[in-house]
Amino acid sequence: DIVMTQSPDSLAVSLGERATINCKSSQSILYSSENKHYLAWYQKKPGQPPKILIYWASTRESGVPDRFSGSGSGTDFTLTISSLQAEDVAVYYCQQYYSTPRTFGRGTKLEIK
Amino acid sequence: QVQLVQSGAEVKEPGASVKVSCKASGYTFIRHYIDWVRQAPGQGLEWMGIINPSGGSTTYAEKFQGRVTMTRDTSTSTVYMELNSLRSEDTAVYYCARGGSYRDFYYYMDVWGKGTTVTVSS
Repeated sequence: DIVMTQSPDSLAVSLGERATINCKSSQSILYSSENKHYLAWYQKKPGQPPKILIYWASTRESGVPDRFSGSGSGTDFTLTISSLQAEDVAVYYCQQYYSTPRTFGRGTKLEIK
Repeated sequence: QVQLVQSGAEVKEPGASVKVSCKASGYTFIRHYIDWVRQAPGQGLEWMGIINPSGGSTTYAEKFQGRVTMTRDTSTSTVYMELNSLRSEDTAVYYCARGGSYRDFYYYMDVWGKGTTVTVSS
């Protein structure tokens, strides 16, 4: 199974500041013929289902604010929130869909400092 | 709009079975895979398996092999997830989520149901 390792486990950032969450896969999740990384980022708030933010490592889902961005290559990926808003308080998960079982990182809890 | 509507909360005794439904609307049911993911209290997200609503083929996570069965009813655009031999550790919120089209087995989950709480307790 591909292990997804997220860091940090929790993060406190001031409103308007940048938040950065990291995710590392235990093996490549790049499908070379398509030049796509099979990685997604989800936002999870209590009592709500996960919400897709980013897919193919860097493609923002329609309707997701542009302060959210994804980057990375190889086995190292990053979710960046450029200017933290109060409504961004949540747990963020990375997930690989390169192979089964699909696997998630353990999550990063984002709070306001 | 695309929606996945799940069945209501369940309380089961250890050893029993639970069957959760997920009714799709707003898109062509047979054209997209459906994944099942669960979240135990205080824990992260765990992928359980996937079903192709077109032919009914399934792939399960090894952890759940032999205990989970995913089926579909194309006449009602509904997918089912049945989990047997329940134990306390199966207490969780169970989500269905839409995956890729029939050509895209390896795909992200773009629309999620609201979740079904399953509590296993004697």
